Amino acid sequence: GAGVSQSPRYKVAKRGQDVALRCDPISGHVSLFWYQQALGQGPEFLTYFQNEAQLDKSGLPSDRFFAERPEGSVSTLKIQRTQQEDSAVYLCASSSRRGSNTEAFFGQGTRLTVV
Amino acid sequence: QKEVEQDPGPLSVPEGAIVSLNCTYSNSAFQYFMWYRQYSRKGPELLMYTYSSGNKEDGRFTAQVDKSSKYISLFIRDSQPSDSATYLCAISYSGAGSYQLTFGKGTKLSVIP
Repeated sequence: GAGVSQSPRYKVAKRGQDVALRCDPISGHVSLFWYQQALGQGPEFLTYFQNEAQLDKSGLPSDRFFAERPEGSVSTLKIQRTQQEDSAVYLCASSSRRGSNTEAFFGQGTRLTVV
Repeated sequence: QKEVEQDPGPLSVPEGAIVSLNCTYSNSAFQYFMWYRQYSRKGPELLMYTYSSGNKEDGRFTAQVDKSSKYISLFIRDSQPSDSATYLCAISYSGAGSYQLTFGKGTKLSVIP
């Protein structure tokens, strides 16, 4: 596709439910990033993949958060036992350059609301 | 103290005005400086990217970096209603293992026709 695609665009989850958020990066992009953006805040880094390798997961807030990119293209961010503080927009970004975060293209995000 | 500080605004200006948006940062190891524009319910869109101190111009937009003061700015000339959005500064280290962007909170700009 022409850009980074994320699905679903909106997700409402009951507290305690597991959710899976999908990211389709720009075709051929080796670098993929996940960010979390709370209301009124800037995005905060969660994790980074270079192809299928997860090279940095230092931003994942707890062990309830898990990300994968098994074939080096599509990525899934999974949140187990969701809590209200998980409510945020989850942004995916991709870049054609290894390790490069300076020219990354962002998707529109998935807005997660935990009720 | 957060690594990147940005006044969240909101900032409201008349059409045609010059807009000045600013961020300060605390860590002199930061070397890459970016400005993103984010429309409501959209993802951030890269506007400008600079590496060193000085100015970089692209159309109506000018990015300025002063590493000695740890201060970065974005100027918008002849502002248009379509410039109404949230502007995010983002900063990065260089070198191996430095993958994350550190964002400011964003400044919400409204350009009034």
